[in-house]
Amino acid sequence: EVQLVESGGGLVQPGRSLRLSCTASGFTFGDYAMSWVRQAPGKGLEWVGFIRSKAYGGTTEYAASVKGRFTISRDDSKSIAYLQMNSLKTEDTAVYYCTRAVANDYWGQGTLVTVSS
Amino acid sequence: QAVLTQPSSLSASPGASASLTCTLRSGINVGTYRIYWYQQKPGSPPQYLLRYKSDSDKQQGSGVPSRFSGSKDASANAGILLISGLQSEDEADYYCMIWHSSASVFGGGTKLTVL
Repeated sequence: EVQLVESGGGLVQPGRSLRLSCTASGFTFGDYAMSWVRQAPGKGLEWVGFIRSKAYGGTTEYAASVKGRFTISRDDSKSIAYLQMNSLKTEDTAVYYCTRAVANDYWGQGTLVTVSS
Repeated sequence: QAVLTQPSSLSASPGASASLTCTLRSGINVGTYRIYWYQQKPGSPPQYLLRYKSDSDKQQGSGVPSRFSGSKDASANAGILLISGLQSEDEADYYCMIWHSSASVFGGGTKLTVL
C-alpha cells in the first residue's frame, strides 16, 4: 500500500524557516518524481514544486510564488522528500501536501504551516 | 486570464449525470494535454480520479468507479469530467490539473452539490 506521511509543520514567524519531510512507503521511491502542493485555508490547490527522479536528473521546478525561497530535495536511501522553506511570509500559511508525481496519484494527509507573528 | 478555469459551483440531482468542465486558456490547445482530475471532500486530502488525453491515452485511478469518466470538448477547448449515476457521496470539490511548461497548474475547483 502506497503511503505518504508529511511532518514538520507548525507555527513560525514571518521571515523564519521551516523544513517539511515526506516519508514514503509502498513503492520504489527512487523511480518517481515527487511534488509538493499546498492549500491555504478555504482556498484551492496550489502547486509548489517538484523534484524529478534521479533517472531524469533529480532536477527541480518551482512555482513563481516560492522560487528562490523554497527548495525541494530528496534522499532516495531513506525514501524521503524534503521541502525547505525560507523567508516565510504570512501568505505561505497553508496545508502542505506531498504527492507522487507526475499524476499526483497519491497524496499524504498534509501538514499545516502557519506563518504568523 | 488563468491557465485553467472551472465553474465555481454545480448542482445536480441524485441519479443524474454531472458534467464538470475545465477550460484551457486561449492559445493552449486542449488536444495536446493530459488532463488530471481530483476529488476532495471536507477535511481530507484530494484523491486522484483519472487522467484523460484521448480514448487511447487515459487512465482510471485505482479503485475509482467507472461512472467517473473523462473526455474533451475541442470546440470549447475544455476537458470534461463526467459523473454518471450521481450519489450523495459524490458531493465534493473537484479540481483539474495539467502540466504546462514544466509546471503543474490546477484549476480553481468546482464545488459539486448533490441535492
